Amino acid sequence: DAGVTQSPTHLIKTRGQQVTLRCSPKSGHDTVSWYQQALGQGPQFIFQYYEEEERQRGNFPDRFSGHQFPNYSSELNVNALLLGDSALYLCASSHYPEQFFGPGTRLTVL
Amino acid sequence: AQTVTQSQPEMSVQEAETVTLSCTYDTSENNYYLFWYKQPPSRQMILVIRQEAYKQQNATENRFSVNFQKAAKSFSLKISDSQLGDTAMYFCAFMNTGNQFYFGTGTSLTVIP
Repeated sequence: DAGVTQSPTHLIKTRGQQVTLRCSPKSGHDTVSWYQQALGQGPQFIFQYYEEEERQRGNFPDRFSGHQFPNYSSELNVNALLLGDSALYLCASSHYPEQFFGPGTRLTVL
Repeated sequence: AQTVTQSQPEMSVQEAETVTLSCTYDTSENNYYLFWYKQPPSRQMILVIRQEAYKQQNATENRFSVNFQKAAKSFSLKISDSQLGDTAMYFCAFMNTGNQFYFGTGTSLTVIP
């Protein structure tokens, strides 16, 4: 079992661009959550997907959107990037009540 | 809304000694889960231990144990026989019945040889 995988590992974008991050959940897990972790902070919940639908959403603007595919993998899309979007983006897959995290994608916005 | 507070931004401990990390939380729910996660410099978030709120018995995983005080909404992590590999950021987390996680701001633990 490969656990939770994320791609890419690192990404550099400029302000105003759009980015797509990808996540494959742990085998047997049907729920995927996305978190933003700014430097020196704890992860902040962005949203959660279950059965291909957004089930819950944190306090993030509509520029942040996502998708879950039939195989439970997921994408996080961020439009109109701002400097403040620079962070580590963590994907977590879960099968209640366990949640396991991927290694994260480091996004830098210049 | 749920909040998680970790009041110790940094801590250090001598190798082989015991250290306790503090966490408090606020919720109006009765059924929930509490977690401690470890995040080493490699940034991979690793589950350390989990506690179900409806269980009075404190969870234990090898050298890691918790002191769960439900009435006080306190959930501390004790690390016994500290090892150099325990050096990491430690995050306390709360999961509600909606499967949504809330994290504290973390405690940076350094194990000194």
